[in-house]
Amino acid sequence: GNSVTQMEGPVTLSEEAFLTINCTYTATGYPSLFWYVQYPGEGLQLLLKATKADDKGSNKGFEATYRKETTSFHLEKGSVQVSDSAVYFCALSIQGGSEKLVFGKGTKLTVNP
Amino acid sequence: KAGVTQTPRYLIKTRGQQVTLSCSPISGHRSVSWYQQTPGQGLQFLFEYFSETQRNKGNFPGRFSGRQFSNSRSEMNVSTLELGDSALYLCASSLGATSYNEQFFGPGTRLTVL
Repeated sequence: GNSVTQMEGPVTLSEEAFLTINCTYTATGYPSLFWYVQYPGEGLQLLLKATKADDKGSNKGFEATYRKETTSFHLEKGSVQVSDSAVYFCALSIQGGSEKLVFGKGTKLTVNP
Repeated sequence: KAGVTQTPRYLIKTRGQQVTLSCSPISGHRSVSWYQQTPGQGLQFLFEYFSETQRNKGNFPGRFSGRQFSNSRSEMNVSTLELGDSALYLCASSLGATSYNEQFFGPGTRLTVL
């Protein structure tokens, strides 16, 4: 079946530190890959996406590269801010016919000033 | 453009009761998906509706049902509530016509079952 495994948190960093959140996947078809972010008390927001191998998604200083050979989509940011504190979810969708998203368990990030 | 709205935002019910949650998608979006979020199981897909038809369904018991109206608004119903149904229920809307369409999530309905 289709599944996503991401590193469990919580992750606590100081402002301006480098962030990596690991994400690997298994998929029966050809997946599109996503990172979503959830701020306290809110729904999910799409942070970035990649739809084919070697694509790099980027947004707000965050980046992730679709690595088919390692089935990975790790999230990185060079310098985190306090405002980046949130829960981050890696997700996949199998292309063709349905919008169903399969999510990882989420990683809670706290950035201290 | 208004975002995805969900009503009510909070609900408290007792075991055995039933509940109906509502989701209004972004104007022009024809696909609505529902997810259950719990601390233990994370985010799990319930079902997806496109043009009033259920297009995909997750692994939930038949107590969980949904429908979509001609204006794309969707409702989900949970009958015979159990304590384990306490969760944040999120809906997401998208254009739905081709793959892949970005999904936009609402703020969720927090259901507490006592």
